[in-house]
Amino acid sequence: QKEVEQDPGPLSVPEGAIVSLNCTYSNSAFQYFMWYRQYSRKGPELLMYTYSSGNKEDGRFTAQVDKSSKYISLFIRDSQPSDSATYLCAMSRDTGGSYIPTFGRGTSLIVHP
Amino acid sequence: IAGITQAPTSQILAAGRRMTLRCTQDMRHNAMYWYRQDLGLGLRLIHYSNTAGTTGKGEVPDGYSVSRANTDDFPLTLASAVPSQTSVYFCASSPDRMNYGYTFGSGTRLTVV
Repeated sequence: QKEVEQDPGPLSVPEGAIVSLNCTYSNSAFQYFMWYRQYSRKGPELLMYTYSSGNKEDGRFTAQVDKSSKYISLFIRDSQPSDSATYLCAMSRDTGGSYIPTFGRGTSLIVHP
Repeated sequence: IAGITQAPTSQILAAGRRMTLRCTQDMRHNAMYWYRQDLGLGLRLIHYSNTAGTTGKGEVPDGYSVSRANTDDFPLTLASAVPSQTSVYFCASSPDRMNYGYTFGSGTRLTVV
């Protein structure tokens, strides 16, 4: 079992839908949780960054962390075709002074007009 | 424009040849990383450097070497390329070894034939 599990999709939704993207993890030591967005043939870009449990909102995006369930989510409201991309979750913990993240495999999202 | 520059953008390489992938950042970030991204496997860490003059091995270091002579540059060398090293390679950086989220380059698409 991988430390971080993420359904690869693809997830196809109509424009305007609320999108829910999720990751589960097995290591309770993870402290920092991130979501990256990756457009085709581009590098990942950081979307959201949270520490420990709770919610964080940034515009149409909300990141949620439930450490008791080892489950993190990214919600996208009023989805747009420009949101079509692969979304990677990532999480990190102290490994002897470094916090190098473990990435999920990514979920492909398609928002059709 | 601040960020990470990777070169070349793409390359076809004969097996057995030596190749160096270049990575330069202008953000004065202390920590730098090399990942490979393969379909179905996600991002896997090859090597990292927490600060100039130091390097460390990631999840898949075999067949690769790195050096960090200064803060800005972090080249990745394939000493003798093999077809299994066909992949997309991403360089990334963060302000320091504490992970506040990475900045990624646009990637090098490498095909070993």
